[in-house]
Amino acid sequence: QSALTQPASVSGSPGQSITISCTGTTSDIGVYDYVSWYRQHPDKAPKLMVYDVSNRPSGVSNRFSGSKSGNTASLTISGLQAEDEADYYCSSYTGSSTLVFGTGTKVTVL
Amino acid sequence: QITLKESGPTLVKPTQTLTLTCTLSEFSLSTSGMGVGWIRQPPGKAPEWLALIYWDDDKRYSPSLKSRLTITTDTSKNQVVLRMTNMDPVDTATYYCARTHYYDSSGYPFDYWGQGTLVTVSS
Repeated sequence: QSALTQPASVSGSPGQSITISCTGTTSDIGVYDYVSWYRQHPDKAPKLMVYDVSNRPSGVSNRFSGSKSGNTASLTISGLQAEDEADYYCSSYTGSSTLVFGTGTKVTVL
Repeated sequence: QITLKESGPTLVKPTQTLTLTCTLSEFSLSTSGMGVGWIRQPPGKAPEWLALIYWDDDKRYSPSLKSRLTITTDTSKNQVVLRMTNMDPVDTATYYCARTHYYDSSGYPFDYWGQGTLVTVSS
C-alpha cells in the first residue's frame, strides 16, 4: 500500500492555528474512521495525539483536534506553542487489516 | 507505569535474520483486547508499520514484508518477539514496539511506545 500524503512542512507563529492535511484513498481514509495522528520530537518515539479521526487520548491538550472529509484527514493545532515544533505523522487503518503511515509534516514555530 | 522496551542486535549482516524482543511492563498481552505492534523508521524517514499481535494470538502483517516477518509472544516472560529474515541494508532503521487496545479502537492507534532500537544492516 502507498503512504498517505502530507505536506512536507507547515509553519505558524506562536498563538496561531495551523492545519496539517493527510490524503489517502477509498481503501483507507475514505472508508474507515481509523485515522491517528502522532507528534515526534527529534530522537524520540512518536506520541499519539489523536485517534479514530477526532478522539484525544487522556492527557493530550484540547489544542489538538482532528477531522475528516472524504479521503482527507486533518489535524488542527490551535494556540501554537514552541513545544509543538516537531514532525507529525498521520496513519490509517486499511482494507487489508493493515496500517499505513503518512509521509510526515515538519511543523515550525516561527 | 506502562513501558515497553526493545532489545536485540544493533548490527546485522546482509542475509542474516534479525530477532527483536519487546519486554512489556505494567500490562500483559494476556489481557483481553491488548495488542502489541512493531513499527520501524529509517533515518530521516516516515514510520512504517510491520506487524501486530493481539491477546488472542490474532496476527497481522504488512503485505510487502509478510514473507519475511514472524511475530510471536512469550507470555511467561511478557515479551513479544519479531523475526525478520534476509536482512538488507535498506532495512536499516529504528525499530519500535508499541501498544494498542482493540476495545479502545480496532484501527491500531498505538498509545505507548518503546524508546526504539537502531538496527544497522551492513557487512
